[in-house]
Amino acid sequence: ETGVTQSPTHLIKTRGQQVTLRCSSQSGHNTVSWYQQALGQGPQFIFQYYREEENGRGNFPPRFSGLQFPNYSSELNVNALELDDSALYLCASSRPGVTGSDSTDTQYFGPGTRLTVL
Amino acid sequence: EDKVVQSPLSLVVHEGDTVTLNCSYEVTNFRSLLWYKQEKKAPTFLFMLTSSGIEKKSGRLSSILDKKELSSILNITATQTGDSAIYLCAALQGGSEKLVFGKGTKLTVNP
Repeated sequence: ETGVTQSPTHLIKTRGQQVTLRCSSQSGHNTVSWYQQALGQGPQFIFQYYREEENGRGNFPPRFSGLQFPNYSSELNVNALELDDSALYLCASSRPGVTGSDSTDTQYFGPGTRLTVL
Repeated sequence: EDKVVQSPLSLVVHEGDTVTLNCSYEVTNFRSLLWYKQEKKAPTFLFMLTSSGIEKKSGRLSSILDKKELSSILNITATQTGDSAIYLCAALQGGSEKLVFGKGTKLTVNP
């Protein structure tokens, strides 16, 4: 158990709808990263939030947006859902700091949200 | 373009065998190499490697980074059925702090 929690566990939506996924970071972690993992692929970086600000973004369109709250929990919002958005959405928390420090650079993952778009 | 390549993509062995999983990376502003084990959903952290040539061990698992060759290996000795999983390799990119993942190696250990 990493202490990172995500909700909901599973979600089924139809094309064009909007979805909000939630993540609570591990205690003491101030950074949350979101990843999309399609079937048979490795996770792809969506974006990262550090102290409530976006701190880097991958190759995802603007309809993927996020928030981080003062308690460092985070939301991922996806608008205008497409069939290809069906995937496992993972969040990971970390506390970036000293380079090469296992206790700070390592990202710990939550159990994920399985999103199915019909 | 940043990329991480893992090989083999799939591996089937018998209990007791030793396996070596490979990972190569081309990532700008490389900081560290991480290995994760993914059984159902959440990738579970195994190792983080930052320095070249220093082996990290945890029980039957060990891993080493070669920064000259831009590669890493994960070794599992005396495999057990519980080792069956997808093993993900990821390069941590400094600045953006993002992980660039490979596609993973699916390991199946048969009794």
